[in-house]
Amino acid sequence: GAGVSQSPSNKVTEKGKDVELRCDPISGHTALYWYRQSLGQGLEFLIYFQGNSAPDKSGLPSDRFSAERTGGSVSTLTIQRTQQEDSAVYLCASSLEYYTEAFFGQGTRLTVV
Amino acid sequence: KQEVTQIPAALSVPEGENLVLNCSFTDSAIYNLQWFRQDPGKGLTSLLLIQSSQREQTSGRLNASLDKSSGRSTLYIAASQPGDSATYLCAVPLAGGNNRKLIWGLGTSLAVNP
Repeated sequence: GAGVSQSPSNKVTEKGKDVELRCDPISGHTALYWYRQSLGQGLEFLIYFQGNSAPDKSGLPSDRFSAERTGGSVSTLTIQRTQQEDSAVYLCASSLEYYTEAFFGQGTRLTVV
Repeated sequence: KQEVTQIPAALSVPEGENLVLNCSFTDSAIYNLQWFRQDPGKGLTSLLLIQSSQREQTSGRLNASLDKSSGRSTLYIAASQPGDSATYLCAVPLAGGNNRKLIWGLGTSLAVNP
């Protein structure tokens, strides 16, 4: 596609439920990032994928968070047993390689009630 | 440890002014620096990427400069317009090691008043 696409754009879920957030990167981009942005806060790194290499998971805040990237393209971020503190905007970005220009999707606004 | 700081945190100016937004970083061993804008409730839009070997990069009314040795980048916005109102963020990729992430400033919130 022309840009990074994220779905859904908004998600409201009940505390304790699992959610899946999807990211479609720009075609041909080998690098993919997930970040989250809480209200009034800076961007918090979650996870990084590069081609077929092992992902950098150093930013995942707890074992309730996991992500996968199938076929080096689409990525899914899964949050299990959601908590209210998980409420944030989840942003996905892709780039050709690690040290190249990153392009972001519009984000998924997650609200846990 | 790489840290990125942006000054000022907020800026309000009348339309037509020329602006300078500042970004500083503590470790000069960077590969590049990228400027983004974020509109309220939206994702980030890439504005400019300036490579470590470059001194400046231009796109329309935007000009980004980079001084690696002093750990500074500036984003110059010429003839500001109300449509420029947004939060401007700078980021550098973490260099070396196995970690792969962008290190971010907290942004400058810009309001251009008609």
